Amino acid sequence: NAGVTQTPKFQVLKTGQSMTLQCAQDMNHEYMSWYRQDPGMGLRLIHYSVGAGITDQGEVPNGYNVSRSTTEDFPLRLLSAAPSQTSVYFCASRPFKGVLHSPLHFGNGTRLTVT
Amino acid sequence: EDKVVQSPLSLVVHEGDTVTLNCSYEVTNFRSLLWYKQEKKAPTFLFMLTSSGIEKKSGRLSSILDKKELSSILNITATQTGDSAIYLCAVALLPAQGGSEKLVFGKGMKLTVNP
Repeated sequence: NAGVTQTPKFQVLKTGQSMTLQCAQDMNHEYMSWYRQDPGMGLRLIHYSVGAGITDQGEVPNGYNVSRSTTEDFPLRLLSAAPSQTSVYFCASRPFKGVLHSPLHFGNGTRLTVT
Repeated sequence: EDKVVQSPLSLVVHEGDTVTLNCSYEVTNFRSLLWYKQEKKAPTFLFMLTSSGIEKKSGRLSSILDKKELSSILNITATQTGDSAIYLCAVALLPAQGGSEKLVFGKGMKLTVNP
């Protein structure tokens, strides 16, 4: 049981480059989300999805795009990387439909540095 | 604005000590409060509290929610070096009409347990 799998684990980008952070879960969770974690800021929600074909913005969505074509996958795209996007990114999922209280399951994170 | 505040932000103790971590919140539409432990990678779920005054326990860890005081504590007794981690408090909010449950995280509390 792999849970939530994120790739890559580390990435260095130059300002203006684009890339996609991958996230896949094998628990059939409807809800998937992306957070960024910065020192002194805690975890902040970037985008989330409650099912295939449905996405919505979180607290800090600017500079990021997402799509949800399948239940399993929820990639995060940086179209033009900026140094302010240097952070650790976490993907997380949980059951949604018919479940009132369920904690998030997190992936192991992607450490992104933008120079 | 919904807010979750953890205190202290960092703490250094010796093995065998007992520690108490605090989490207070000012939010609308409270649903539940969650505690996570984050070592080197993904946050892992510890407790979810939905009713006031009920204590959740798991080994040396326990947590209580006080909905009157809008706060929660996480107690760790007989600390071990393996307890060294960042402890995250999060509050789940009831969704707005048509929306999804929102999770607001505190900034985290770094615990260091020295041998």
